[in-house]
Parts: sequence; C-alpha cells; structure tokens
Amino acid sequence: AQSVTQLGSHVSVSEGALVLLRCNYSSSVPPYLFWYVQYPNQGLQLLLKYTTGATLVKGINGFEAEFKKSETSFHLTKPSAHMSDAAEYFCAVSDTGTASKLTFGTGTRLQVTL
Amino acid sequence: NAGVTQTPKFRVLKTGQSMTLLCAQDMNHEYMYWYRQDPGMGLRLIHYSVGEGTTAKGEVPDGYNVSRLKKQNFLLGLESAAPSQTSVYFCASKRTSANEQFFGPGTRLTVL
Repeated sequence: AQSVTQLGSHVSVSEGALVLLRCNYSSSVPPYLFWYVQYPNQGLQLLLKYTTGATLVKGINGFEAEFKKSETSFHLTKPSAHMSDAAEYFCAVSDTGTASKLTFGTGTRLQVTL
Repeated sequence: NAGVTQTPKFRVLKTGQSMTLLCAQDMNHEYMYWYRQDPGMGLRLIHYSVGEGTTAKGEVPDGYNVSRLKKQNFLLGLESAAPSQTSVYFCASKRTSANEQFFGPGTRLTVL
C-alpha cells in the first residue's frame, strides 16, 4: 500500500522568500511522484512529476522537486515566492500498475504575504 | 479542445435523493477516474475505469455506482444521497501510456 505525508497543512511565506513544501511517501515499489496545484475553485493542475531518470525535476512556474530515495522524500521548492503562488499544493504517489492510481497527501495551503 | 468537463458544477440534494454526475473528455483517453475531495483529507479515489465498458472500485466506493458506456464519458451515480457524501467531486483522465492525470474543474455537491 502506498501513502503520502505532507508536513504542514498551512505554510506562510513572504513574497520573494524561499518556498519549501514537504512531502514524504511510502511505497513498496519504485514510485512515480507528482505535485499538483489547486487554485481556488478550480481543478488540479500538474506542476511536475518524477518517474525515472534525473532526480531533480523542474516544473512549471519556477517550481522544482528532488526525489531522494534514501529519505523517501519529494519536497517542492521555489527560490522566490510570488503572490500568484498562493494556492493549495498536493503531493501524490502513483502505483506502477496498469491503472496508475494516485494516492494523494492531505495538501498544503501556501499563503504569500507582502 | 475542452479537456475534461464536469456537469453540473453545483448541486444541492436532500437526503435520499439520487443524482448522476457526468464527466466527459475529448482527449481520447482510455483511463478515467472519480475522486472526492474533503477538507483535510486530500483527494480519495472512488471508482475508476481502464476502458469502455470496464469499471473498478477505488478507496471509497460505498454509496456510489459508475458506468462507462462510451469511451469519452464516465458517470458517477448516487442512488440514495447521504449527508456524508457532501463533497467536491473531481473527474480525471489519462492515456494508457502516460503517467499524468488531467483533472476536470469539479462538482460541488451538498446533501442536506
């Protein structure tokens, strides 16, 4: 069985500051890992994903994440926060079976202040 | 190319009423999924389908039924709605060979 833990349900940063959203996973097989973003009253949009290969993954809007197998982590970072980054962020792990079902974390709401 | 669309966007039901949520995708994706999103719980998989005419249970299937009669549509039914089914429902789809799921805008359902 897979699981995802997102530390911190709410994170607040100042505009221009580093964004760090934490994600740890549990999986019995090599995982596929994803970060999705949800803006208010909208669906989920893929930020980035790790499947195989390079462990540092770059996504949209300046976000990146690093897959660390030894730490079972996939933390999301952005060097400089922008007001438009305020949203809810979900980490997810997929099984590598036929259906590729996603298991989501509980989400982290990012607030960006002036 | 509309992507994944969901109908309706909002709905209020009384306990015991039934309804069907429609998900449609125009990307010719084989796989489709229904999730529910509740505060503090992330998204949980209700049912999914790996192709036309096939469906399977996810993590929280009780109280829901689904049908995939056409490749582009995935219907989620509530036969007798309960207040515990108040939630935001998201549909998603993906290609067989891909990892990424594409999500619809969601349906907000309230059961009184």
